[in-house]
This record gives sequence, C-alpha cells and structure tokens, in this order.
Amino acid sequence: KAGVTQTPRYLIKTRGQQVTLSCSPISGHRSVSWYQQTPGQGLQFLFEYFSETQRNKGNFPGRFSGRQFSNSRSEMNVSTLELGDSALYLCASSSGTSGTTDTQYFGPGTRLTVL
Amino acid sequence: AQSVTQLGSHVSVSEGALVLLRCNYSSSVPPYLFWYVQYPNQGLQLLLKYTTGATLVKGINGFEAEFKKSETSFHLTKPSAHMSDAAEYFCAVSEGTGGSYIPTFGRGTSLIVHP
Repeated sequence: KAGVTQTPRYLIKTRGQQVTLSCSPISGHRSVSWYQQTPGQGLQFLFEYFSETQRNKGNFPGRFSGRQFSNSRSEMNVSTLELGDSALYLCASSSGTSGTTDTQYFGPGTRLTVL
Repeated sequence: AQSVTQLGSHVSVSEGALVLLRCNYSSSVPPYLFWYVQYPNQGLQLLLKYTTGATLVKGINGFEAEFKKSETSFHLTKPSAHMSDAAEYFCAVSEGTGGSYIPTFGRGTSLIVHP
C-alpha cells in the first residue's frame, strides 16, 4: 500500500495570504489527523477528522481549519498567514476508529515558510 | 491538563551501548502513551505504544518501554545502540474520554550515536 502523501512538500507564502495543504491517507484509513511542528512550540495537535467529521481539535485559533472528503482525503487551510505559522505540517492516518490513540502513520509533511 | 517532559534534549551514546531516553508525564486519568522516532526530513514513525495490560511494551527496532504508574514514567530503552538509531525521539501522551483524545508531545530528544 502507498503511504500517507502530502502535497505540496514545500510552500512559500507571504503574511496575510491563505494556504491550503492536502493529505491523502493510506487506502482504507478513515481517520486523518494534522499536527504542526515548530522549533519553538514543538509538535502540537491541530485536529482530527473521521468520516468527514471533525472529532477532536487542539488549541489553535480559528484561522486554522480543515475538512475531510468522502474518500478520506483531507485538507487544512490557514487564513491570514502570520510569520509564526512557518512550520512543518504533518498529516497522519489510522485504520481504526479511535483516531489519535490508534497506530498512526505519518506523511513526510509540508514545509510552510511565511515571509 | 496533561503534559510530557523528556529529560535531556540531547543524549549521546557509543555504538553498542545502552540507550535510555526518559519520559515523564502528568495525566489525571490512565493515559495512552507513545514513543515516536523522526528521521531528518521525514514524518514520525511509531516505535511503540502503551494502552492497557502489560506494562513492558516491546516495539520495533529492538526498542522497549516500561509504563510505571507510580513514577508517571514511560522511559524508552534499547540494549545496544546502532548508528542507524541516530534520530529525534518523541514521547506522547493521549488523554481523554468518550472517544475524544488530544495528544500531547514532549519536546523531543535527539539521540546521537558515536562509532
């Protein structure tokens, strides 16, 4: 099976713009989670989707949003970008129904740089 | 609120020596505990996880961890380090109820293996 894929791998944006990142989970996986990784804050949980519904959400402002499609592919959107949004955004999928407590398989991430 | 503390941002060992990476957590309820490894420019890979049952958990690549409730610890060990073990290691705790689990990660420990 193909692993979790994330597109694009690298992205450069300017402050105030918005960005959409895409994640394709492993075939058959219905849970998709998103994480932000920065040198300053470390790894932080953004949100988790299961069967097109957001089940869990971390402590991030409303500028961060996401959605999941019927084929389990997921997108996350960040509006009004700030310099502090520069990060590696990781997506993970799992085959179970328990989301982040199941075994998660991570993609390579999208490296977002905000100038 | 849950928190995770990884003692030592860097741990240096010689090839063949014991690896010990420390993780302490705070949680008000029995948590799910995880160790992940991250190689440069890659996503995270699950090494092992504790849910319930046996407190000594065996993972991939010869790693194991022991859940000690009284010490609120989940230290990661490997009897003999290999050069390929050099990477960043993250301990994570997932706590919640009713299907709503929010994972919290430690700041990571960089394992350096000397020949």
